[in-house]
Amino acid sequence: DSGVTQTPKHLITATGQRVTLRCSPRSGDLSVYWYQQSLDQGLQFLIQYYNGEERAKGNILERFSAQQFPDLHSELNLSSLELGDSALYFCASSPQGVKNTGELFFGEGSRLTVL
Amino acid sequence: QQQVKQSPQSLIVQKGGISIINCAYENTAFDYFPWYQQFPGKGPALLIAIRPDVSEKKEGRFTISFNKSAKQFSLHIMDSQPGDSATYFCAARKGSNYQLIWGAGTKLIIKP
Repeated sequence: DSGVTQTPKHLITATGQRVTLRCSPRSGDLSVYWYQQSLDQGLQFLIQYYNGEERAKGNILERFSAQQFPDLHSELNLSSLELGDSALYFCASSPQGVKNTGELFFGEGSRLTVL
Repeated sequence: QQQVKQSPQSLIVQKGGISIINCAYENTAFDYFPWYQQFPGKGPALLIAIRPDVSEKKEGRFTISFNKSAKQFSLHIMDSQPGDSATYFCAARKGSNYQLIWGAGTKLIIKP
């Protein structure tokens, strides 16, 4: 158990809909990362937040947005969903400062299926 | 220059054999090279990592070999076991303020 919690584990929805994925980082970790992994594909970095502020942006579509709240949990919002958005969405967290060994701690992912 | 190229895409090894996965990079500013292991339906987890000031790091049956001049690093799994069957990702980073650059992954199957 990495200590990173993601909900929901599975989500089935229709094209054009909007969904929200939630992530609770490990206790004390200030950084949260979102990744997308399509079937048998690699990890695509979407976005990183640090202590509530956007830190870095990757290949995140304009239809997607994220935020990190004061309690450090994060949400990834996916709107106008398309079939191609079906994927595993992972959240990861990492500590900062002297505790930062470089390791990312991943949750178990949210599997999104768009029909 | 930001890419990390990983090979092979898939690998089948007999139980007890040695599994070898290779990664190559271009950016000489990279200073941290981790390997992550991902089982089906799970998130990736750090397996082993190396910094460029050493040429090899070993943890149990897992070894990273690092060749700074060739800009290559590899993961060796000795005495491979069916429980090692997973997808392995290499990655690289050029400082704690930068993102990990990921390889494409290698699906490893260990045949009993």
